[in-house]
Amino acid sequence: AQTVTQSQPEMSVQEAETVTLSCTYDTSESNYYLFWYKQPPSRQMILVIRQEAYKQQNATENRFSVNFQKAAKSFSLKISDSQLGDTAMYFCAFMVDSSYKLIFGSGTRLLVRP
Amino acid sequence: SAVISQKPSRDICQRGTSLTIQCQVDSQVTMMFWYRQQPGQSLTLIATANQGSEATYESGFVIDKFPISRPNLTFSTLTVSNMSPEDSSIYLCSVKGTGVETQYFGPGTRLLVL
Repeated sequence: AQTVTQSQPEMSVQEAETVTLSCTYDTSESNYYLFWYKQPPSRQMILVIRQEAYKQQNATENRFSVNFQKAAKSFSLKISDSQLGDTAMYFCAFMVDSSYKLIFGSGTRLLVRP
Repeated sequence: SAVISQKPSRDICQRGTSLTIQCQVDSQVTMMFWYRQQPGQSLTLIATANQGSEATYESGFVIDKFPISRPNLTFSTLTVSNMSPEDSSIYLCSVKGTGVETQYFGPGTRLLVL
């Protein structure tokens, strides 16, 4: 069975600084995808970034980038130049290629301080 | 990404009653999913809604409690039956993107059972 672990229940960062959220996962699958989703207080789940397991290059989306370490089964999210609008719950998620079902971690609550 | 709407956005219900949640997508999609997010928790997959056939339920979820319909490629409903306060949660539908292994989420339905 696949599992996703987020060991940081809460994080805090000063506006304009950089923060890294941790995620580890466990699977025996070879073809899979990893995601970070953001859920602000409005509760809408927003896709932040996506990584294909077969790609060695780390994904980037503007201020968001990941550090994907396949052998270590680690998938951390780096947010640069943090903005107040980044305040939200961040969920790491795993998808097996064959089923397309998402398995979520427990989430990290990020607070960006002005 | 697809535009996904859910109705109702929130509701307060009495125990023992049932509520049907609708999920509408602005384009045809092959796969639709229903998730539950209990207060302060992460998301858990309830079932995959299959067009033209019975939904595929995850362990711990049964059709009698969470009947799902999917009459076409743009619409699905989830019914929460014989509700108890433990059913108080956010219920989210999601769709698999066309040609991409990614899920996009609706805005969610916040349910409170008294």
